[in-house]
Amino acid sequence: GENVEQHPSTLSVQEGDSAVIKCTYSDSASNYFPWYKQELGKGPQLIIDIRSNVGEKKDQRIAVTLNKTAKHFSLHITETQPEDSAVYFCAASIRGDMRFGAGTRLTVKP
Amino acid sequence: DTAVSQTPKYLVTQMGNDKSIKCEQNLGHDTMYWYKQDSKKFLKIMFSYNNKELIINETVPNRFSPKSPDKAHLNLHINSLELGDSAVYFCASSHILAGVYEQYFGPGTRLTVT
Repeated sequence: GENVEQHPSTLSVQEGDSAVIKCTYSDSASNYFPWYKQELGKGPQLIIDIRSNVGEKKDQRIAVTLNKTAKHFSLHITETQPEDSAVYFCAASIRGDMRFGAGTRLTVKP
Repeated sequence: DTAVSQTPKYLVTQMGNDKSIKCEQNLGHDTMYWYKQDSKKFLKIMFSYNNKELIINETVPNRFSPKSPDKAHLNLHINSLELGDSAVYFCASSHILAGVYEQYFGPGTRLTVT
């Protein structure tokens, strides 16, 4: 089955700096790669996603990249703000069967 | 509000009891899921239902039984609760958009077994 690895497990940055979270997946049949943000006491919130036929996608301060050959995908957050502090999860999905990475706790220090 | 909702938000119970968690979505989605999030925040899929039919059933104890009375509801019933069942349980739903399943999560139910 699909196995998703996510790094780093914790990330601390200064407000205004960039943050990068990286994931790898094992099953080349995975065709959908969402990213979720989970704040304390809340459910995961879909913040951006990328399909297997796209290499890069951007939405304001966040961007995702996908390298299908290497089975890598990454989340980039620019100009970080304290409200970006949360746990971020990557996932890889085949027809709705979604497997998650272990999560990255991002702390943005003001 | 359009959303995935779960009740209750918190559930504290004793070992050996039977309990249910309810989930409803008003997004018109065809597929619903249950996930378990352990104390280390790891999210693991438990079940997936599409149009009231079970399509994913991970290796979970058969004390856990999903029940889908209709497309908008997927409830989770747990028999003979054990200490290790303590976790946060999330319901999610999805629709197919351009060949992929975008999943949206509920707020979670924190289950504590004492």
